[in-house]
Amino acid sequence: EVQLVESGGGLVQPGGSLRLSCAASGFVFSSYSMYWVRQAPGKGLVWVSHISADGSVTDYADSVKGRFTISRDNAKNTLFLQLNSLRVEDTAVYYCAKGSDSWGQGTLVTVSS
Amino acid sequence: DVVMTQSPLSLPVTLGQSASISCRSSQSLVSSDGNTYLMWLRQRPGQSPRRLIYIVSNRDSGVPDRFSGSGSGTDFTLTLSRVEAEDVGVYYCMQATYWPHTFGQGTILEIK
Repeated sequence: EVQLVESGGGLVQPGGSLRLSCAASGFVFSSYSMYWVRQAPGKGLVWVSHISADGSVTDYADSVKGRFTISRDNAKNTLFLQLNSLRVEDTAVYYCAKGSDSWGQGTLVTVSS
Repeated sequence: DVVMTQSPLSLPVTLGQSASISCRSSQSLVSSDGNTYLMWLRQRPGQSPRRLIYIVSNRDSGVPDRFSGSGSGTDFTLTLSRVEAEDVGVYYCMQATYWPHTFGQGTILEIK
């Protein structure tokens, strides 16, 4: 069974940083592209970032380009998202996803002073 | 970015009746490999999204055959027959043909 468990969310001030992690199990992690998707309170889903299976290719939504960095450790079956220069509008639940077929439970990031 | 437009945004349904959700994309979702990467997901209150349908019409494992997807190019439909109480939630279409992948606004299905 595929399991994706996010961690690292919390309350941070505008301009601050956080590092999200996603521990994966139940599949061959190193064979799959991985994604981060976010959902602001009461709003819809938005793709944030993508990383290829070997980590050589990354993509970002325009809204986070230059501020967020996706990475992965295939030896530890873990996906990361480094969030820098956080803004109030980055407040959301951040989901780790294996394609569109498997999702974690999400971790809440709140950016507020 | 490809814009995904769903209708209706709110869908009250009587138990046992059928329901349909429309999804239109701002450009064709046919990929260079010939597949059309249009998916349907449902998000129940307080839960993560769950994919129901992939590549237009293929049901994911464990999804009842009451759910069916259809369409091509830019016009797609999710149909639920014999709606049950457990079908309540927000339904999203999404395209994975182009980056960034994009979602529709979501359709709230509720029981009358």
